[in-house]
Amino acid sequence: ETGVTQTPRHLVMGMTNKKSLKCEQHLGHNAMYWYKQSAKKPLELMFVYSLEERVENNSVPSRFSPECPNSSHLFLHLHTLQPEDSALYLCASSQDLAGGLGTQYFGPGTRLLVL
Amino acid sequence: AQSVTQLGSHVSVSEGALVLLRCNYSSSVPPYLFWYVQYPNQGLQLLLKYTSAATLVKGINGFEAEFKKSETSFHLTKPSAHMSDAAEYFCAVSDPSNNAGNMLTFGGGTRLMVKP
Repeated sequence: ETGVTQTPRHLVMGMTNKKSLKCEQHLGHNAMYWYKQSAKKPLELMFVYSLEERVENNSVPSRFSPECPNSSHLFLHLHTLQPEDSALYLCASSQDLAGGLGTQYFGPGTRLLVL
Repeated sequence: AQSVTQLGSHVSVSEGALVLLRCNYSSSVPPYLFWYVQYPNQGLQLLLKYTSAATLVKGINGFEAEFKKSETSFHLTKPSAHMSDAAEYFCAVSDPSNNAGNMLTFGGGTRLMVKP
């Protein structure tokens, strides 16, 4: 595997379910990101991790719970979601968090549908 | 605080015609600027980036963008559109002066449609 991978690619869940999204980067990067992409809304940054520590949480509801066990893996745990949480969830990584020169590399996303 | 505005959520051009996608930014410091492309059912891919070297930046697939500080713009162009260019394009800005300079602020995106 190369680049940034995400599993599953598609997920349908009920509002009472618990599920997890997984992201893995094979680039040796130190920073990882979760974004939410909804129809007709700009990309929303949800969480940022640098060296496995969370550095940004943009007022995301607690029904979304991130986990970064190591610099290569990032999870997004989902529970009691709402239909408006249906979206494409994108994971990205960059070499570091600082500097500004770091390109973010994106995974293909997980298309989530909450019924 | 930074912000990015992309004028036109949808742009339609004929195959072979000039592509112009507009991006204006607001930033209190000289920013770094990026264009990403998203093809259907895929993640975002970097097209090009401006990081304070040459103001005219060339990217992949024949795209280029020019940084104009006086106009706070970073418009994306391609001389001749191909059908394969149909995608959504995102302009983004980062602040290299802070400790989280690789965090990006994205514009709302422009969907490019190419007519045969």
